[in-house]
Amino acid sequence: NAGVTQTPKFRILKIGQSMTLQCTQDMNHNYMYWYRQDPGMGLKLIYYSVGAGITDKGEVPNGYNVSRSTTEDFPLRLELAAPSQTSVYFCASSYGAGGVTTQYFGPGTRLTVL
Amino acid sequence: GESVGLHLPTLSVQEGDNSIINCAYSNSASDYFIWYKQESGKGPQFIIDIRSNMDKRQGQRVTVLLNKTVKHLSLQIAATQPGDSAVYFCAENDDYKLSFGAGTTVTVRA
Repeated sequence: NAGVTQTPKFRILKIGQSMTLQCTQDMNHNYMYWYRQDPGMGLKLIYYSVGAGITDKGEVPNGYNVSRSTTEDFPLRLELAAPSQTSVYFCASSYGAGGVTTQYFGPGTRLTVL
Repeated sequence: GESVGLHLPTLSVQEGDNSIINCAYSNSASDYFIWYKQESGKGPQFIIDIRSNMDKRQGQRVTVLLNKTVKHLSLQIAATQPGDSAVYFCAENDDYKLSFGAGTTVTVRA
């Protein structure tokens, strides 16, 4: 199993541009999550999904959108990129609810908005 | 504000010594806690977890202690090795999501 994979690894955007961060897991996990990690800080939850077709906002959803059309994929969309969105983005998945089962993380996407 | 935090942002430890990383949480209703290790340029990696009906759990070279009275969590690493150098995060369940602290950077001295 590849686990959780993310693409791209790095990206530089100009202010106002849009992009989609890809996340795929091959563990047949129902739950998937998007976090951002700013320098020297912990992870903050952006959006999460409890199954295909179901998504919900986390702690910091503004400026982002998600979709979950399949169990495997959970892309994160940035519309009108802003410098405040410069961060490292991690996707994670878990078999059950995040509060009671382990979340497995991807390697991250480092995004810079200039 | 954050409900999970770590007492010290950095910890320097001599190779072979034991490491203790501390974490305080504020939600007395939390019933599940996880420690993650994050190496430079990588995603967080699961180390060990503990449920609130336990006060101690041991893994390979790691032990997690939970003190619900003072809402404190600690991770002990035995015989610290250079490969243990990383940022360590504690996380608690928040409803059915995880809430992470800011992390402690552990540096192992040769």
